[in-house]
Amino acid sequence: DADVTQTPRNRITKTGKRIMLECSQTKGHDRMYWYRQDPGLGLRLIYYSFDVKDINKGEISDGYSVSRQAQAKFSLSLESAIPNQTALYFCATRSTDRANTGELFFGEGSRLTVL
Amino acid sequence: RKEVEQDPGPFNVPEGATVAFNCTYSNSASQSFFWYRQDCRKEPKLLMSVYSSGNEDGRFTAQLNRASQYISLLIRDSKLSDSATYLCVVNNYGQNFVFGPGTRLSVLP
Repeated sequence: DADVTQTPRNRITKTGKRIMLECSQTKGHDRMYWYRQDPGLGLRLIYYSFDVKDINKGEISDGYSVSRQAQAKFSLSLESAIPNQTALYFCATRSTDRANTGELFFGEGSRLTVL
Repeated sequence: RKEVEQDPGPFNVPEGATVAFNCTYSNSASQSFFWYRQDCRKEPKLLMSVYSSGNEDGRFTAQLNRASQYISLLIRDSKLSDSATYLCVVNNYGQNFVFGPGTRLSVLP
């Protein structure tokens, strides 16, 4: 089983609908991230959380919200989806142990299409 | 100017060739540097960290040039399985990771 699990893996929805992407991890990491990937633009940070009580906006947070329900769970919501939110979304985790190399561990991605 | 820039490619090389990618970054305060590999429609995975003194892992060599603000990745004896997109990633101490757009490599038989 994957250490970082995202659901759903694929979703097609219509403009104006509310969508939630969920992420859970078994790595015990405190830091969790949501990125979106668009062709030619690389991964861009939407939101990040350093622990359950710490939520921060990333580079492109407009139109998104998040919830850190527990250390292991971090959800991304699109309150009213629009077509330019069509993208591949990745959740990632990272440990803050001193020995950590700084590696990010990614989920397998959630492909969202907004019609 | 984007904070991390890469040539998107594609780089099409024959098996056994040596290929090199460069990546430039704009923030001189950047502290940590990485190369990630991403297969088509898959999640990125860490290939290697990049240290100031340069480092090697098998057929892969990474170099950092702080004065010119670029990092490089050299792949020797390319294999078909090396075909992927290579992402340059930069981190400013205490801040978040910034990803380049990636360089696509196709190794041809």
